[in-house]
Amino acid sequence: QVQLVESGGGVVQPGRSLRLSCAAYGFTLSNYPMHWVRQAPGKGLEWVADISHDGLNQYYADSVQGRFTISRDISKNTLHLQMNSLRTEDTAVYYCARANPSGWHIFDFWGQGTLVTVSS
Amino acid sequence: QSALTQPASVSGSPGQSITISCTGTTSDVGGYNYVSWYQHHPGKAPKLIIYDVTNRPSGVSNRFSGSKSGSTASLTISGLQAEDEADYYCSSYASISTPYVFGTGTKVTVL
Repeated sequence: QVQLVESGGGVVQPGRSLRLSCAAYGFTLSNYPMHWVRQAPGKGLEWVADISHDGLNQYYADSVQGRFTISRDISKNTLHLQMNSLRTEDTAVYYCARANPSGWHIFDFWGQGTLVTVSS
Repeated sequence: QSALTQPASVSGSPGQSITISCTGTTSDVGGYNYVSWYQHHPGKAPKLIIYDVTNRPSGVSNRFSGSKSGSTASLTISGLQAEDEADYYCSSYASISTPYVFGTGTKVTVL
C-alpha cells in the first residue's frame, strides 16, 4: 500500500532554514519522479519542485529557485526539501506527491502535508 | 503562469449531477491532453480521480468523469453522494514558466 508521510514543518523566522522530509512506503523512490506541492492559507495548490527517478535532474518553481533544494535519501526511501532564506509568503502546507510512471504531470499519490509557518 | 480558473463553489442534492469547469489557455489546458483532477478532503491527502482529461485511476468510482473543450476542462460528478463533499482541483501541464499549474479550487457542497 502506497503511503507518503511528511514531517519537519513548524514555525520559523524569516530568513531562517527548515528541512522537510517525506517518508515513502509501499514503493521505491528510485523508481519514481517525485514532487513537492504547497498550499498557502486560503489559497490553491502551487507546484514547488520535482526530482527525476534517478535523482539527476531537479526542477523548481521560479518563486523558490535558488532558495529550495529537493533531494532524496534512497537508503531511507525518503524525499527531502531543504528550504533556505524563508519568506513569509512561503507559509503553507507542504505536500509530497509521487509522479505516475505514465507522466510526471500525474500526481498519483500524496501525503497529508506538513505545515510551515514563517513569521517573526 | 496564472492559476487555472475554477468556480469557487458548486452545490447539488444527493443523486444529482454537477460539473466543475477549469479554464486555462492554449499554453496549458488548451495545448495538451494532460489535465488531471484531484479530490481533497481538508486535513487528508489529496486523491487523484482523473488524469489525461478522461482517464480514471483504478479504484475511482465511475461517477467521476472528465472532458475538455478548447481551453476548458470539466469534471462531472454524477449521482452525487455525501462523501463527495470536498475541495476539487484541476491541474495541467504548462509550457510557460512553471511546468505544472493548478486550478483555484472548487468547494463541492452536498445539500
